[in-house]
Amino acid sequence: AQKITQTQPGMFVQEKEAVTLDCTYDTSDPSYGLFWYKQPSSGEMIFLIYQGSYDQQNATEGRYSLNFQKARKSANLVISASQLGDSAMYFCAMREAPRNTPLVFGKGTRLSVIA
Amino acid sequence: EAGVTQFPSHSVIEKGQTVTLRCDPISGHDNLYWYRRVMGKEIKFLLHFVKESKQDESGMPNNRFLAERTGGTYSTLKVQPAELEDSGVYFCASSQAHRDTRDYEQYFGPGTRLTVT
Repeated sequence: AQKITQTQPGMFVQEKEAVTLDCTYDTSDPSYGLFWYKQPSSGEMIFLIYQGSYDQQNATEGRYSLNFQKARKSANLVISASQLGDSAMYFCAMREAPRNTPLVFGKGTRLSVIA
Repeated sequence: EAGVTQFPSHSVIEKGQTVTLRCDPISGHDNLYWYRRVMGKEIKFLLHFVKESKQDESGMPNNRFLAERTGGTYSTLKVQPAELEDSGVYFCASSQAHRDTRDYEQYFGPGTRLTVT
Protein backbone atom coordinates (compact mmCIF):
# COMPACT_ATOMS: atom_id res chain seq x y z
CA ALA A 1 0.00 0.00 0.00
CA GLN A 2 1.22 3.46 -0.78
CA LYS A 3 2.21 5.73 2.08
CA ILE A 4 3.49 9.27 2.54
CA THR A 5 5.47 10.39 5.58
CA GLN A 6 6.12 13.98 6.55
CA THR A 7 8.15 13.97 9.75
CA GLN A 8 8.18 17.72 10.43
CA PRO A 9 4.93 18.91 12.02
CA GLY A 10 6.23 22.50 12.03
CA MET A 11 9.13 24.46 10.60
CA PHE A 12 10.40 28.02 11.00
CA VAL A 13 12.47 29.88 8.44
CA GLN A 14 13.84 33.39 8.26
CA GLU A 15 12.53 35.54 5.43
CA LYS A 16 14.75 35.33 2.30
CA GLU A 17 16.31 32.07 3.47
CA ALA A 18 15.79 28.67 1.82
CA VAL A 19 13.92 25.86 3.55
CA THR A 20 13.52 22.15 2.88
CA LEU A 21 10.35 20.27 3.76
CA ASP A 22 10.83 16.53 4.01
CA CYS A 23 8.70 13.86 2.40
CA THR A 24 9.32 10.15 2.09
CA TYR A 25 7.06 7.72 0.33
CA ASP A 26 6.51 4.04 -0.02
CA THR A 27 5.11 2.22 -3.01
CA SER A 28 5.68 -0.97 -4.94
CA ASP A 29 4.39 0.52 -8.19
CA PRO A 30 7.22 1.53 -10.57
CA SER A 31 4.99 4.24 -12.06
CA TYR A 32 3.86 6.98 -9.72
CA GLY A 33 3.57 10.71 -9.36
CA LEU A 34 4.56 12.95 -6.47
CA PHE A 35 2.88 16.26 -5.67
CA TRP A 36 3.22 19.14 -3.27
CA TYR A 37 0.28 21.31 -2.29
CA LYS A 38 0.16 24.48 -0.21
CA GLN A 39 -2.75 25.27 2.07
CA PRO A 40 -2.75 28.84 3.38
CA SER A 41 -4.93 29.93 6.27
CA SER A 42 -7.74 30.69 3.83
CA GLY A 43 -8.11 26.93 3.33
CA GLU A 44 -7.74 26.35 -0.38
CA MET A 45 -5.33 23.73 -1.68
CA ILE A 46 -2.84 25.16 -4.15
CA PHE A 47 -0.86 22.88 -6.43
CA LEU A 48 2.84 23.69 -6.33
CA ILE A 49 4.90 21.09 -8.12
CA TYR A 50 4.83 17.62 -9.63
CA GLN A 51 7.46 14.92 -10.14
CA GLY A 52 6.93 11.77 -12.16
CA SER A 53 8.72 8.58 -11.20
CA TYR A 54 10.35 8.33 -14.61
CA ASP A 55 11.40 11.97 -14.81
CA GLN A 56 15.16 12.20 -15.13
CA GLN A 57 15.48 15.69 -13.73
CA ASN A 58 14.21 17.26 -10.55
CA ALA A 59 11.11 19.37 -11.05
CA THR A 60 11.31 23.13 -10.60
CA GLU A 61 8.56 25.76 -10.58
CA GLY A 62 9.81 29.25 -9.82
CA ARG A 63 11.04 29.32 -6.22
CA TYR A 64 9.94 25.73 -5.67
CA SER A 65 12.08 22.73 -6.49
CA LEU A 66 11.61 19.09 -5.71
CA ASN A 67 14.66 17.15 -4.56
CA PHE A 68 13.76 13.72 -5.91
CA GLN A 69 15.91 10.85 -4.64
CA LYS A 70 14.33 7.74 -6.04
CA ALA A 71 16.57 5.20 -4.33
CA ARG A 72 15.83 6.78 -0.96
CA LYS A 73 12.15 7.24 -1.84
CA SER A 74 12.27 10.87 -0.86
CA ALA A 75 10.70 13.90 -2.51
CA ASN A 76 11.67 16.92 -0.47
CA LEU A 77 10.33 20.36 -1.34
CA VAL A 78 12.83 23.19 -1.38
CA ILE A 79 11.55 26.75 -1.19
CA SER A 80 14.17 29.35 -2.01
CA ALA A 81 14.11 32.97 -0.87
CA SER A 82 11.23 32.46 1.57
CA GLN A 83 8.55 35.12 1.72
CA LEU A 84 6.06 35.93 4.46
CA GLY A 85 3.31 34.70 2.14
CA ASP A 86 4.86 31.24 2.15
CA SER A 87 3.57 30.68 5.69
CA ALA A 88 1.09 27.83 5.28
CA MET A 89 0.53 24.10 5.60
CA TYR A 90 2.38 22.05 3.00
CA PHE A 91 1.20 18.62 1.96
CA CYS A 92 3.13 15.99 0.08
CA ALA A 93 1.00 13.58 -1.92
CA MET A 94 1.42 10.61 -4.21
CA ARG A 95 -0.60 8.65 -6.68
CA GLU A 96 0.19 5.35 -8.34
CA ALA A 97 -0.71 4.35 -11.89
CA PRO A 98 -3.08 4.97 -13.64
CA ARG A 99 -2.87 8.71 -13.73
CA ASN A 100 -6.32 9.45 -12.44
CA THR A 101 -5.81 7.41 -9.28
CA PRO A 102 -6.74 9.36 -6.12
CA LEU A 103 -3.98 11.02 -4.14
CA VAL A 104 -2.57 9.78 -0.86
CA PHE A 105 -1.46 12.61 1.42
CA GLY A 106 1.00 13.04 4.24
CA LYS A 107 0.01 14.74 7.47
CA GLY A 108 1.49 18.03 6.39
CA THR A 109 4.12 20.46 7.63
CA ARG A 110 3.24 23.89 8.95
CA LEU A 111 5.79 26.41 7.72
CA SER A 112 6.14 29.75 9.44
CA VAL A 113 8.24 32.44 7.80
CA ILE A 114 9.71 34.97 10.22
CA ALA A 115 10.49 38.55 9.24
CA GLU B 1 -11.80 29.82 -16.32
CA ALA B 2 -13.66 29.18 -13.07
CA GLY B 3 -12.02 26.87 -10.57
CA VAL B 4 -13.58 24.14 -8.48
CA THR B 5 -16.30 25.56 -6.27
CA GLN B 6 -17.87 24.09 -3.17
CA PHE B 7 -20.97 24.98 -1.23
CA PRO B 8 -21.44 25.74 1.59
CA SER B 9 -18.11 26.99 2.86
CA HIS B 10 -19.15 26.21 6.44
CA SER B 11 -21.89 24.10 7.94
CA VAL B 12 -22.75 23.57 11.58
CA ILE B 13 -25.33 20.89 12.29
CA GLU B 14 -26.46 18.81 15.21
CA LYS B 15 -25.80 15.13 15.56
CA GLY B 16 -28.47 13.17 13.75
CA GLN B 17 -29.22 15.83 11.18
CA THR B 18 -28.59 15.62 7.47
CA VAL B 19 -26.18 17.74 5.47
CA THR B 20 -25.57 17.90 1.75
CA LEU B 21 -22.32 19.26 0.36
CA ARG B 22 -22.02 20.33 -3.24
CA CYS B 23 -19.05 20.45 -5.58
CA ASP B 24 -18.91 22.04 -9.02
CA PRO B 25 -15.79 20.85 -10.84
CA ILE B 26 -13.96 22.72 -13.55
CA SER B 27 -16.01 22.55 -16.72
CA GLY B 28 -15.04 19.58 -18.85
CA HIS B 29 -13.27 17.69 -16.09
CA ASP B 30 -14.36 14.07 -16.11
CA ASN B 31 -12.61 13.09 -12.88
CA LEU B 32 -14.10 14.29 -9.61
CA TYR B 33 -12.75 13.36 -6.20
CA TRP B 34 -13.95 13.84 -2.65
CA TYR B 35 -11.43 14.01 0.19
CA ARG B 36 -11.79 14.74 3.89
CA ARG B 37 -9.44 16.10 6.51
CA VAL B 38 -10.34 15.44 10.10
CA MET B 39 -8.68 17.83 12.56
CA GLY B 40 -4.98 17.07 12.99
CA LYS B 41 -4.95 14.16 10.61
CA GLU B 42 -4.01 13.70 7.01
CA ILE B 43 -6.30 14.30 4.07
CA LYS B 44 -8.07 11.07 3.22
CA PHE B 45 -9.64 10.00 -0.03
CA LEU B 46 -13.36 9.28 0.01
CA LEU B 47 -14.64 8.75 -3.52
CA HIS B 48 -13.74 9.11 -7.19
CA PHE B 49 -16.14 9.71 -10.08
CA VAL B 50 -15.34 9.38 -13.74
CA LYS B 51 -18.13 11.32 -15.38
CA GLU B 52 -21.26 10.06 -13.64
CA SER B 53 -19.85 6.67 -12.63
CA LYS B 54 -18.30 5.82 -9.29
CA GLN B 55 -14.81 4.64 -10.15
CA ASP B 56 -13.65 4.05 -6.59
CA GLU B 57 -15.59 4.47 -3.37
CA SER B 58 -13.23 2.54 -1.14
CA GLY B 59 -12.65 5.55 1.11
CA MET B 60 -16.28 6.11 2.07
CA PRO B 61 -16.38 5.56 5.84
CA ASN B 62 -19.82 3.95 6.05
CA ASN B 63 -23.28 3.90 4.54
CA ARG B 64 -24.24 7.19 6.15
CA PHE B 65 -22.35 8.83 3.30
CA LEU B 66 -23.93 9.00 -0.15
CA ALA B 67 -22.33 10.67 -3.14
CA GLU B 68 -23.93 11.37 -6.48
CA ARG B 69 -22.89 12.95 -9.72
CA THR B 70 -25.93 13.09 -11.93
CA GLY B 71 -25.18 13.98 -15.53
CA GLY B 72 -21.46 13.96 -14.88
CA THR B 73 -21.35 17.61 -13.86
CA TYR B 74 -21.65 18.71 -10.24
CA SER B 75 -21.55 16.27 -7.36
CA THR B 76 -23.24 16.11 -3.98
CA LEU B 77 -22.12 14.36 -0.83
CA LYS B 78 -24.84 13.69 1.68
CA VAL B 79 -24.22 12.70 5.27
CA GLN B 80 -27.29 11.19 6.94
CA PRO B 81 -27.47 11.02 9.90
CA ALA B 82 -24.40 13.04 10.84
CA GLU B 83 -22.21 11.92 13.75
CA LEU B 84 -19.66 13.87 15.77
CA GLU B 85 -16.73 12.11 14.07
CA ASP B 86 -17.90 13.41 10.68
CA SER B 87 -16.60 16.88 11.56
CA GLY B 88 -13.79 18.02 9.34
CA VAL B 89 -13.04 19.76 6.08
CA TYR B 90 -14.41 18.13 2.94
CA PHE B 91 -12.48 18.86 -0.22
CA CYS B 92 -13.51 18.28 -3.77
CA ALA B 93 -11.02 18.07 -6.62
CA SER B 94 -11.30 17.59 -10.34
CA SER B 95 -8.94 16.65 -13.12
CA GLN B 96 -8.85 16.05 -16.83
CA ALA B 97 -6.10 14.70 -19.02
CA HIS B 98 -4.76 16.83 -21.78
CA ARG B 99 -2.17 15.72 -24.26
CA ASP B 100 0.01 18.69 -23.54
CA THR B 101 0.19 18.25 -19.76
CA ARG B 102 2.35 15.88 -17.87
CA ASP B 103 -0.21 14.46 -15.60
CA TYR B 104 -3.75 14.47 -14.37
CA GLU B 105 -3.23 17.47 -12.09
CA GLN B 106 -5.98 17.64 -9.49
CA TYR B 107 -7.45 21.08 -8.89
CA PHE B 108 -8.93 21.48 -5.45
CA GLY B 109 -11.89 23.48 -4.28
CA PRO B 110 -11.77 25.64 -1.14
CA GLY B 111 -13.39 22.95 0.97
CA THR B 112 -16.47 22.79 3.18
CA ARG B 113 -15.85 22.94 6.90
CA LEU B 114 -18.41 20.69 8.58
CA THR B 115 -18.97 20.86 12.31
CA VAL B 116 -21.28 18.35 13.96
CA THR B 117 -22.29 19.27 17.51
